[in-house]
Amino acid sequence: GENVEQHPSTLSVQEGDSAVIKCTYSDSASNYFPWYKQELGKGPQLIIDIRSNVGEKKDQRIAVTLNKTAKHFSLHITETQPEDSAVYFCAASSNTNAGKSTFGDGTTLTVKP
Amino acid sequence: DGGITQSPKYLFRKEGQNVTLSCEQNLNHDAMYWYRQDPGQGLRLIYYSQIVNDFQKGDIAEGYSVSREKKESFPLTVTSAQKNPTAFYLCASSMGWADTQYFGPGTRLTVL
Repeated sequence: GENVEQHPSTLSVQEGDSAVIKCTYSDSASNYFPWYKQELGKGPQLIIDIRSNVGEKKDQRIAVTLNKTAKHFSLHITETQPEDSAVYFCAASSNTNAGKSTFGDGTTLTVKP
Repeated sequence: DGGITQSPKYLFRKEGQNVTLSCEQNLNHDAMYWYRQDPGQGLRLIYYSQIVNDFQKGDIAEGYSVSREKKESFPLTVTSAQKNPTAFYLCASSMGWADTQYFGPGTRLTVL
């Protein structure tokens, strides 16, 4: 089955700096890669996603890049703000795996004011 | 408001008791999922359903059961056979396979 590894597990940055979280996946059939943000005591919320026919996607301060050859994708947050502090999860899924998503173990991002 | 709801938010159970967690969505999504989250860990798939009256075991189905009698509802029962049920349970739904999953607010289950 699919295996997703996420790094780092914790990340602390100064307000205004950039943050990068990386994920690798094992199943070359995976074709959908969402990123979720989870605040304490709440359910994860989608912040950005990318499909395998696209190499990069950007939404204001957030961007995701995908390298299918190397089987890795990354989340980039620029101009970080204290409200960006949360746990971020990457996931990978494919139509060949009944659409199930495999999640990374999460990255706890702390943005210091 | 369209969305996915879970109830209750907090649930306490005595050892040996079964308990059912509710999950409802009005997004007209075909697929629904149940995940378990332990402190500091990722999401592990318990059960999923891609269509009414059909569901499949996920990675950690032992000690759990589900039903999918209606498109909008996917209740999860935590049975007494689940040896360590204290956790945060998340329900999600998606339009179809390999689509964005929308999560509910979660239910925190504590076994006393």
